[in-house]
Amino acid sequence: EAGVTQFPSHSVIEKGQTVTLRCDPISGHDNLYWYRRVMGKEIKFLLHFVKESKQDESGMPNNRFLAERTGGTYSTLKVQPAELEDSGVYFCASSQTYYGYTFGSGTRLTVV
Amino acid sequence: TQLLEQSPQFLSIQEGENLTVYCNSSSVFSSLQWYRQEPGEGPVLLVTVVTGGEVKKLKRLTFQFGDARKDSSLHITAAQPGDTGLYLCAGEDYKLSFGAGTTVTVRA
Repeated sequence: EAGVTQFPSHSVIEKGQTVTLRCDPISGHDNLYWYRRVMGKEIKFLLHFVKESKQDESGMPNNRFLAERTGGTYSTLKVQPAELEDSGVYFCASSQTYYGYTFGSGTRLTVV
Repeated sequence: TQLLEQSPQFLSIQEGENLTVYCNSSSVFSSLQWYRQEPGEGPVLLVTVVTGGEVKKLKRLTFQFGDARKDSSLHITAAQPGDTGLYLCAGEDYKLSFGAGTTVTVRA
């Protein structure tokens, strides 16, 4: 089966610009997660979708981040306006149960 | 406050040697998961442990879960260069809380 697909793989934007990251989960996986690793820190949870509903968005840093999941399929994470501290690697993961997470390769975001 | 502490942070050994990575949690999670991550890729799930005292084996990898379900270890026997990577433990409670990881380098 196809894995979790994320794009772009890399994005370099200027402070104040907008960036949209996309994640295509494994087909049939109801659970979709966004995580982020900033330089020198551990991977941290951002939010969790069950189908198209936000189950938990307690990890979202602030209201510059907006996540959506259209029709319970792919998800987008928009950062607007981007700040320097938003730089990092953004991972998407999907699962059918809580025991089997599959991660994408991540999007490396650099804000300059 | 970091919930999961991993040690050591870095580990460099010769091919054929054994190694152990530790993960200690300040909380009890529903399960504890071990992942391996290579550069440019996302974490790949190795194993999930749920029950205190549980031991799981995956070829040359042995995972142990402490009786109190707060500590875990990953032991690799006769390490090979292909075992090189970042090893992460994560506690699961409807979402994952990751440790900072242990970077393992196996020299040929």
